[in-house]
Amino acid sequence: DTGVSQDPRHKITKRGQNVTFRCDPISEHNRLYWYRQTLGQGPEFLTYFQNEAQLEKSRLLSDRFSAERPKGSFSTLEIQRTEQGDSAMYLCASSPPGRINTEAFFGQGTRLTVV
Amino acid sequence: DAKTTQPNSMESNEEEPVHLPCNHSTISGTDYIHWYRQLPSQGPEYVIHGLTSNVNNRMASLAIAEDRKSSTLILHRATLRDAAVYYCILSNYGQNFVFGPGTRLSVLP
Repeated sequence: DTGVSQDPRHKITKRGQNVTFRCDPISEHNRLYWYRQTLGQGPEFLTYFQNEAQLEKSRLLSDRFSAERPKGSFSTLEIQRTEQGDSAMYLCASSPPGRINTEAFFGQGTRLTVV
Repeated sequence: DAKTTQPNSMESNEEEPVHLPCNHSTISGTDYIHWYRQLPSQGPEYVIHGLTSNVNNRMASLAIAEDRKSSTLILHRATLRDAAVYYCILSNYGQNFVFGPGTRLSVLP
């Protein structure tokens, strides 16, 4: 078990470009979450999947953001027409099935810088 | 989402116990109390969680007040590696954790 894996670890992009991040959860974890974290703040929830179904989306997730988990395994988060305010750490977490209120396992994040 | 309040920062000496407080006066009967910590340049890491009874694991202990309106995370012997931001979070059957700014713990050698 290698933990939650996120790729890339760092991304620098020009304003207006599209970016896509990938998250590979721990094997057999059916729940997957995306969070965003800006400097000095705690992580902010973006969206949640149970298997391939996207069950919850934060109002922070504007129409420029889209997340998918097509086969209930890995997930992608795409940001279209990036803005400087999108610069942040994007964190993915997963948790196993079966137990309510179990712990979530976080990846190391993808740091996005929009210039 | 129920909110928690924590001190912005705390200091501890190495090898001494640390008590990190958290107030959650609006907690509901089904809210679990979770603690996560985040080391520099890392994602958050699970520490401990509980509902009503005190909990112990290899990392820490969680003491929950009888009225559940506050809790305390106890690190029995702080090490330099425990320097991190500690988040106290309430969760009700879901994993949509609402993180606050947390408590930044500094451990002095």
